[in-house]
Amino acid sequence: AQSVTQLGSHVSVSEGALVLLRCNYSSSVPPYLFWYVQYPNQGLQLLLKYTSAATLVKGINGFEAEFKKSETSFHLTKPSAHMSDAAEYFCAVTPNFGNEKLTFGTGTRLTIIP
Amino acid sequence: KAGVTQTPRYLIKTRGQQVTLSCSPISGHRSVSWYQQTPGQGLQFLFEYFSETQRNKGNFPGRFSGRQFSNSRSEMNVSTLELGDSALYLCASSTPSGSGADTQYFGPGTRLTVL
Repeated sequence: AQSVTQLGSHVSVSEGALVLLRCNYSSSVPPYLFWYVQYPNQGLQLLLKYTSAATLVKGINGFEAEFKKSETSFHLTKPSAHMSDAAEYFCAVTPNFGNEKLTFGTGTRLTIIP
Repeated sequence: KAGVTQTPRYLIKTRGQQVTLSCSPISGHRSVSWYQQTPGQGLQFLFEYFSETQRNKGNFPGRFSGRQFSNSRSEMNVSTLELGDSALYLCASSTPSGSGADTQYFGPGTRLTVL
């Protein structure tokens, strides 16, 4: 069964600094991978997804992620953090065959230091 | 297009009661999935409906059930509520391509508190 592991339940970065949120997946075949963001008292919003078209995926709000098969990783990055990036971020996976079930990681709460 | 809507947004029930939550998907979306979010267990998949049929089910007891109507709107029901059912229940809709790569669009959730 597919799963994802997010390293670091809390990450703090200074405004303007690099944001790096880690996600490793476990799957016998390359799955589909997603990053979602959740702001307080809201649902989840898709930031980006990997569907095997390109290993470097660009998303909304300046975020991007690179799929690395050799490291089974799909880390999320943003060159320069903004105060509005403070939220909880979830990595998720679905199998690469007809299945809508998202399996989520435990989430990483990102705090931006002014 | 209007997003996924969920009603009610907040709900307070007591143990032993039952509750019904509603979800209206984005127009044209035929798949609706439900997730439970708690601080202890995180985000967990409950079930998915497509064309009024349950296509996928998570590992939850039979007290949790759902259905989908011909207009793709979905409801989930929890019977005999327990304190541990307190959670944010999220609904997501998508237009399934059959590949698993579909984007699921989430609603704002229903916050259920069981006293």
